[in-house]
Amino acid sequence: DIQMTQSPPVLSASVGDRVTLSCKASQNINKNLDWYQQKHGEAPKLLIYYTNNLQTGIPSRFSGSGSGTDYTLTISSLQPEDVATYYCYQYNSGPWTFGGGTKLELK
Amino acid sequence: QVQLKESGPGLVQPSETLSLTCTVSGFSLTSNSVHWVRQPPGKGLEWMGIIRSGGSTDYNSALKSRLSISRDTSKSQVFLKMNSLQTEDTAIYYCTRSEYGGYSELDYWGQGVMVTVSS
Repeated sequence: DIQMTQSPPVLSASVGDRVTLSCKASQNINKNLDWYQQKHGEAPKLLIYYTNNLQTGIPSRFSGSGSGTDYTLTISSLQPEDVATYYCYQYNSGPWTFGGGTKLELK
Repeated sequence: QVQLKESGPGLVQPSETLSLTCTVSGFSLTSNSVHWVRQPPGKGLEWMGIIRSGGSTDYNSALKSRLSISRDTSKSQVFLKMNSLQTEDTAIYYCTRSEYGGYSELDYWGQGVMVTVSS
């Protein structure tokens, strides 16, 4: 099975900061990676699909990049409503797997 | 519009079988795949399994021996059955949709259903 490792587990940042979240796969996943945002008490929501494609309705401050085994979610200017846990997810090969998540907090 | 809704018992006894239903609308089960994902309290997301548009299934390696996913396309329903439940199976259970045999993003999610395993 492909293991997905997210870092850091917890990230504290200030409003307006540029924030970078990382996700590393245990083998090449050919950009078959999504990012999901989960706010407290809510279902996960798709942010970025196939590494760098912004889902409809998602603010342009969110962006994704990466290739091979290393992937990044960037928030260009952190807003209070971005407080959430973020998960990466690979669908390159089954069984499909999520990373452990990065909890983003306001400093 | 696309919707998914999970339903099932909120409380299950240890060692018993969990049965959940995902009722979908706004799309066809013969055109899209449906996945089950769960989340124990305070923990991360765990992919459980998929039923594809053609009816084939795949499961999380750790759950494979206990888990079964099936569907009734005429009722637009997908079913999850998992046996030998333990307290560690206490979680919110979500159903979610994808295209292309599962090789794509999970674009719509249900609200989730909380299942507690306790005597």
